[in-house]
Amino acid sequence: AQSVTQLGSHVSVSEGALVLLRCNYSSSVPPYLFWYVQYPNQGLQLLLKYTSAATLVKGINGFEAEFKKSETSFHLTKPSAHMSDAAEYFCAVSGLTGGGNKLTFGTGTQLKVEL
Amino acid sequence: SQTIHQWPATLVQPVGSPLSLECTVEGTSNPNLYWYRQAAGRGLQLLFYSVGIGQISSEVPQNLSASRPQDRQFILSSKKLLLSDSGFYLCAWSSLLARSSYEQYFGPGTRLTVT
Repeated sequence: AQSVTQLGSHVSVSEGALVLLRCNYSSSVPPYLFWYVQYPNQGLQLLLKYTSAATLVKGINGFEAEFKKSETSFHLTKPSAHMSDAAEYFCAVSGLTGGGNKLTFGTGTQLKVEL
Repeated sequence: SQTIHQWPATLVQPVGSPLSLECTVEGTSNPNLYWYRQAAGRGLQLLFYSVGIGQISSEVPQNLSASRPQDRQFILSSKKLLLSDSGFYLCAWSSLLARSSYEQYFGPGTRLTVT
């Protein structure tokens, strides 16, 4: 079974500051990990994914995430926040257990960017 | 390229009325299809998924049902809506290709308000 924990349901940063959104996972098999972003009243958009290749994954909009097996973490970072980054972010894990490639999502982190 | 459509975008329905939400995918064949619900302030809840025509798996017992009459069409239905059915409904697809990392791609969503 897989699970995802996102620490902090709300994160607030100043424009230009570092963004750090935390995600810890639990998986009984080697995981595939994902970060999605959701803007108000829109669907989820894939930001980046980890598929057992490079542990540092770069995504769209300047975001990146590092897979750390020893810490079972996959935290999302961006060096400099922009107002347009304000959105909800979801971490997800796929355990490749079959049955339709189901993803297990975290409860989400709402990112607020202040001037 | 692949695209996913959902309609309607918004819907206001009285309690006890029927429901039909439609999702279609273009540009791919034999996708896995998924229905999720987001209630206000909560994460994503997987409702149904399908690995092929006529093959539906239910994740949560409720008064909703799903059908897949064609390869790239997924329908969410209800005979009688409850107030608790209000929420943001998202359709998603993923690839069955062997080298796929099983990420899911989401539609724009349908905002359902049951009054």
